[in-house]
Parts: sequence; C-alpha cells; structure tokens
Amino acid sequence: SAVISQKPSRDICQRGTSLTIQCQVDSQVTMMFWYRQQPGQSLTLIATANQGSEATYESGFVIDKFPISRPNLTFSTLTVSNMSPEDSSIYLCSVEGAGKLFFGSGTQLSVL
Amino acid sequence: GNSVTQMEGPVTLSEEAFLTINCTYTATGYPSLFWYVQYPGEGLQLLLKATKADDKGSNKGFEATYRKETTSFHLEKGSVQVSDSAVYFCALTRYQAGTALIFGKGTTLSVSS
Repeated sequence: SAVISQKPSRDICQRGTSLTIQCQVDSQVTMMFWYRQQPGQSLTLIATANQGSEATYESGFVIDKFPISRPNLTFSTLTVSNMSPEDSSIYLCSVEGAGKLFFGSGTQLSVL
Repeated sequence: GNSVTQMEGPVTLSEEAFLTINCTYTATGYPSLFWYVQYPGEGLQLLLKATKADDKGSNKGFEATYRKETTSFHLEKGSVQVSDSAVYFCALTRYQAGTALIFGKGTTLSVSS
C-alpha cells in the first residue's frame, strides 16, 4: 500500500490569493491524481500528473487556475490560483497502486 | 463517457439491520468497479472492488456483485453496526483498469444503537 502525506490539512484564505498543496508519497508512482470534493458533492477529477510531462486537465479545469508540478516520482503540488469562495472545497491527492487508488487525507480549503 | 449513479442518502438504520446501497453505471468497455468509504474525520479508503462480470467483492461483512446484465454494483451488508456510519462512494474506472476513477455522489449511512 502507498502512504500519502498531504499538507496543509486545512487553510483559510482570502479571495484573490493562491494556495499550494503538497502531496508526498512513500514510494515511486507513475501517475498521481488531484481530485476536488465540494461540500455535499462527490469527488471530481481535476487533473492527472505524470512525472516529466505536462499535467492532463479534465473538462472545466485549466492550468492557469490549477497549475500542477510533478518534479519526481514521489511528489506533486497543486496550486489553487486567484481564489474565490467557489474554490472552497476539499482537495485530494491520489495515487494508483495494486489496482486501486490510495488517497491522501485531503486539504480542506475555505476562501473568504 | 463512463458514469455512475448512486442512491441518494442519507440512509438511517438501526444496529443489526440489513443494508443495501444501490449503484448503477454506464460504461464503455469493461470497467472495474469499486466501493470506497469515508469514515468521519478520515480519508477515503477502498472497501471492496470487482474487476469483471459476476465477480463478488467483499470486505468487513460488506459485499457487492458486478452485474453486467443490470449494470449494477449494489453494496450490501447483512447486519450493520454503529461503526459502519460513514459516507459510501461507488466508483468505476474511466477506461480499462488502471486509471483515474469516476465517483458517485456518495451515500451517507447513519446507524444508531
């Protein structure tokens, strides 16, 4: 199994600012995924991040708003840029291993 | 594209009651199917999975059978406990196994003693 450390665990941010979320995995993984879980909603995939290439974004998500870095096989960051209250959500990092997804504990973001 | 529809919650049961949470899917090809659980204050974790038709996934007394003919993957447990109170998510792979998942909206289960 993969152990995922995600930080910060929560933050309260002002409108117009940016927050970078870090995801560290205890083993090397090819694909890392970033999800968003809005209040009372399901998980929505934001993007897939492979080491050494640009992240692949899902419909409705763009790189300018959610830039992603993947500098190596154990680490990734997701930045939520120019935040608005609509960005208030839980952001989750996920990796694949042994035919299933492992999730970090999430970052609960509140934007005022 | 692939999608999953999950019964609306919340579901409220007494301890030892029988549980069914319905999940149906629409898919191209032969996706793998999953149930994930999120206990209060904790992260998502895999509960069970099935990778092909007629497979039955089981864990902690929960079961779900991959039904291709009805495109369903209903979650069942014969006797729920208070500790089963959580949010349950049905999910499937977007393509064939090994890539990102599509999740249902989640069903909140509350079990009282």
